Amino acid sequence: AQTVTQSQPEMSVQEAETVTLSCTYDTSENNYYLFWYKQPPSRQMILVIRQEAYKQQNATENRFSVNFQKAAKSFSLKISDSQLGDTAMYFCAFMNLNDYKLSFGAGTTVTVRA
Amino acid sequence: SAVISQKPSRDICQRGTSLTIQCQVDSQVTMMFWYRQQPGQSLTLIATANQGSEATYESGFVIDKFPISRPNLTFSTLTVSNMSPEDSSIYLCSVERLGTEAFFGQGTRLTVV
Repeated sequence: AQTVTQSQPEMSVQEAETVTLSCTYDTSENNYYLFWYKQPPSRQMILVIRQEAYKQQNATENRFSVNFQKAAKSFSLKISDSQLGDTAMYFCAFMNLNDYKLSFGAGTTVTVRA
Repeated sequence: SAVISQKPSRDICQRGTSLTIQCQVDSQVTMMFWYRQQPGQSLTLIATANQGSEATYESGFVIDKFPISRPNLTFSTLTVSNMSPEDSSIYLCSVERLGTEAFFGQGTRLTVV
């Protein structure tokens, strides 16, 4: 079984600043996907970014980027130029490609201050 | 992407009763899953809904408490049976498509009183 650890329960950032969320995971698999999901108060799970483990290049989606360190089993998310709409709970997730099940971290609540 | 309609969006139920949650997808998908999110916590996988056969349950979840149906490749139901206040949670349907990512329904917020 995979475990996903998010060690930061809460993060606060000033609007337009940058915040980095940490995530580590434990697995014996070599091929897998990693995700960051955003859950605003509406409770809809929204995909922020995806990283395939076989790709060395870090994924980027507009203001969101990851630092994927496969050997260290680390997968951090950087939110640049933070906006008020980024306020939400962020979950790191691991997808096992044998059965496509997701294992989630505990989540990090991000609050963007005006 | 996949469009997932989950019903009801919320409900308040009496203890001892049962609630069935529906998940409808706009196209055929192979993998469908049900997750539970207890208040203030992360998502935990309940089971994999298998088309045409019994669901596969994760440790700590049993069919008598959470019966699941999946009659075809676009529809599934989760029933929360004999509810107690501890069952108050958000229940989310998820589908996997093309082996690339998981899509989620908007969730059902269940309160048991």
